[in-house]
Amino acid sequence: NAGVTQTPKFRILKIGQSMTLQCAQDMNHNYMYWYRQDPGMGLKLIYYSVGAGITDKGEVPNGYNVSRSTTEDFPLRLELAAPSQTSVYFCASSSIHAWLRGNTEAFFGQGTRLTVV
Amino acid sequence: DAKTTQPNSMESNEEEPVHLPCNHSTISGTDYIHWYRQLPSQGPEYVIHGLTSNVNNRMASLAIAEDRKSSTLILHRATLRDAAVYYCILRDTSGSRLTFGEGTQLTVNP
Repeated sequence: NAGVTQTPKFRILKIGQSMTLQCAQDMNHNYMYWYRQDPGMGLKLIYYSVGAGITDKGEVPNGYNVSRSTTEDFPLRLELAAPSQTSVYFCASSSIHAWLRGNTEAFFGQGTRLTVV
Repeated sequence: DAKTTQPNSMESNEEEPVHLPCNHSTISGTDYIHWYRQLPSQGPEYVIHGLTSNVNNRMASLAIAEDRKSSTLILHRATLRDAAVYYCILRDTSGSRLTFGEGTQLTVNP
């Protein structure tokens, strides 16, 4: 199984440009998450989704948008890139069934390193 | 989400045990205690979780205080590969958010 796949791995954007970070999982997980991680810091939750058609804001949603049209995919959209969005972005997924039993083991992708200049 | 407090950094020597503490004084009765770790340049990975009883798996052990206000992740014999940031997280099964704190940077000396 591929697990959680993020594309691209690296990207440089100019201020004001837009882009979509892709995230796909093949584990049939209901829950999916987007995080950002600034250098030397912990992970901050941007948006999350509990299933297709349902999304909710996390701790730092400003400047981002998400959609969840299928169980497998959870793209993150940056509309007007700003230098403050320079970060490493991680996508993760977990199983609602395991969650309800107390196990929230989340599987993470390898990350997308984004630089806005 | 209930808050956890961890030391910013800890050091250990290779092949010695490591005890990573986590305080969670506002934990509720339905909160599970989870630990993740993040190796350099990688996404976090799950380590272990528990509710009330101590737990063991192939990676580590989790010791939970009787009042559940603190817990300790135990690596029985640290290796250089265990150098990572370790995150202690509380998770209530009634919700669906998964939030991380700043974690503890573990350095393992050869």
